[in-house]
Amino acid sequence: QVQLQESGPGLVKPSQTLSLTCTVSGGSISSGSYFWSWIRQPAGKGLEWIGRISTSGSTNYNPSLKSRVTISVDTSKNQFSLKLSSVTAADTAVYYCANNQRGAFDYWGQGTLVTVSS
Amino acid sequence: QSALTQPASVSGSPGQSITISCTGTSSDVGGYNYVAWYQQHPGKAPKLMIYQVSNRPSGVSNRFSGSKSGNTASLTISGLQAEDEADYYCSSYTSSSTYVFGTGTKVTVL
Repeated sequence: QVQLQESGPGLVKPSQTLSLTCTVSGGSISSGSYFWSWIRQPAGKGLEWIGRISTSGSTNYNPSLKSRVTISVDTSKNQFSLKLSSVTAADTAVYYCANNQRGAFDYWGQGTLVTVSS
Repeated sequence: QSALTQPASVSGSPGQSITISCTGTSSDVGGYNYVAWYQQHPGKAPKLMIYQVSNRPSGVSNRFSGSKSGNTASLTISGLQAEDEADYYCSSYTSSSTYVFGTGTKVTVL
């Protein structure tokens, strides 16, 4: 069974770039017709889809975040990554990585809290 | 893209059935059979309960069922149990090749 684990700084200063990595285990990130997504959830609020990447490198982003988001994949390390630039306090949230297949998010990481504060 | 609309809360007694709605547009829920439902307990990651409108992943109880009519999808939980108390979210693929989540519904078992 596929397992995902997010990693990265828990504290980012305003105006800087948030960078997170998701490590996939239990299977190759390149196998199957999968996409790999990032999703976030501010405390006490709902889920927001950030974007996704295919193993061939094609991406789709949430229009509201598109100008600030970059998602990349490193198949040699079985990882994919998120970069969100020019962060503000509104970007403080738990960030999840997830496997995206069958039009749904089957497997999720445990989530990592990122706080934007000086 | 706007979040899909769900009721803020739904409650029921043990053994009863409840239904949660998820309303979108013809550009998302109404246009594709890629509607999914997730259960989230406090402090935990969401868990996939239904995919492609009405399919259950392996291991998910058959007390959970999904359907869709027009621009509205629904999740029904039958034989409500205490462990079903959680937040529930729907999601849908969209015509822009993106995904959108619902606003979330808190299910309370009375």
